[in-house]
Amino acid sequence: ILNVEQSPQSLHVQEGDSTNFTCSFPSSNFYALHWYRWETAKSPEALFVMTLNGDEKKKGRISATLNTKEGYSYLYIKGSQPEDSATYLCAGGGSQGNLIFGKGTKLSVKP
Amino acid sequence: DTEVTQTPKHLVMGMTNKKSLKCEQHMGHRAMYWYKQKAKKPPELMFVYSYEKLSINESVPSRFSPECPNSSLLNLHLHALQPEDSALYLCASSDRGNQPQHFGDGTRLSIL
Repeated sequence: ILNVEQSPQSLHVQEGDSTNFTCSFPSSNFYALHWYRWETAKSPEALFVMTLNGDEKKKGRISATLNTKEGYSYLYIKGSQPEDSATYLCAGGGSQGNLIFGKGTKLSVKP
Repeated sequence: DTEVTQTPKHLVMGMTNKKSLKCEQHMGHRAMYWYKQKAKKPPELMFVYSYEKLSINESVPSRFSPECPNSSLLNLHLHALQPEDSALYLCASSDRGNQPQHFGDGTRLSIL
């Protein structure tokens, strides 16, 4: 995967709101799609890795879906909390774990 | 605490110096990675090691020289760096290529 796009670039929501953002990637030669949570001054933290079309993964209030045929993945956060504030990175992965990261979606959750 | 340990946390060096960055993991992961991260930008892949062998070099200048002495250790040797090489250098590991990567806290490198 050569080009990974994320939208929106930033997002401001109120505590309790549910939100979602998008990761787009070329659908040809797909291998894996990774999601990471990145807080300022910390290293990225793995959320999900998805490989199959139609995959859905969930971790607490955060879930993700994958559509490899049309080349997109959605990340959903239900009932956002201030501690969810971070940048969410998606990355296209090759068979050797060679990741190409998108620029991220910066989420700010106001109390 | 991170399961991937990087040392040093900070490094300041001149353009003629030789230094090394170190990364260690004890999770039994067979793949290890070096990334470069500039301020407010996502990580950019530099090198991939798989089963202690270099499998991917993303056209990184030769002033960066990776080394994998054993399955738990990954080094990045630095020589004659340029000011634009100043960045956060992240190490990561994973069990296989399609598994989540575990990142260290990074080494913040400044080139004078």
